Amino acid sequence: AQSVTQLDSQVPVFEEAPVELRCNYSSSVSVYLFWYVQYPNQGLQLLLKYLSGSTLVKGINGFEAEFNKSQTSFHLRKPSVHISDTAEYFCAVSSRGTGNTGKLIFGQGTTLQVKP
Amino acid sequence: NAGVTQTPKFQVLKTGQSMTLQCAQDMNHEYMSWYRQDPGMGLRLIHYSVGAGITDQGEVPNGYNVSRSTTEDFPLRLLSAAPSQTSVYFCASSYSFLNTGELFFGEGSRLTVL
Repeated sequence: AQSVTQLDSQVPVFEEAPVELRCNYSSSVSVYLFWYVQYPNQGLQLLLKYLSGSTLVKGINGFEAEFNKSQTSFHLRKPSVHISDTAEYFCAVSSRGTGNTGKLIFGQGTTLQVKP
Repeated sequence: NAGVTQTPKFQVLKTGQSMTLQCAQDMNHEYMSWYRQDPGMGLRLIHYSVGAGITDQGEVPNGYNVSRSTTEDFPLRLLSAAPSQTSVYFCASSYSFLNTGELFFGEGSRLTVL
């Protein structure tokens, strides 16, 4: 079985400051990792994904995340946030390749609140 | 190209009533799924389908039925609604989920059960 833990339910930050949203996962098989963003009253959209290769992945809107297999983490970072980044962010995991169970498992979500 | 379309966007039911949440996609995606979103609990998988005629249970399937008679449609049925089913429901689809795990989401259906 797989699980995802987002370590912070809310992260307040001032505009133009850096931010890190933390995500740890648990899985007995190799995984794909994702970050999705949900703006108010909207569906989810993909921010970035780790499938294979370089452990540092870049996504839309200046976000990046680093896959750390030894620490089973996939933290999301942005060097300078904007008011428009205020949203809820979800970390998610699915099992890789032939071990895929057909399920994408989400964390509980982190609300990023960017203050002027 | 409309993507993933969910109807209705809002619905209020009384306990014991039945209803169907509709989901349609026009991207020829084999994989489709239903999630519910509740505060502090993230998104939880209800049911999913890897192709027409094939469905399987997710994390929280009780109280919900699904069928997949066509590639495009994946309706979610509540046979006897309960207040615990008050939630926001999202349909999601993927062309290559088994290879990449990436999903495309609809805009959600907000259901209130009184």
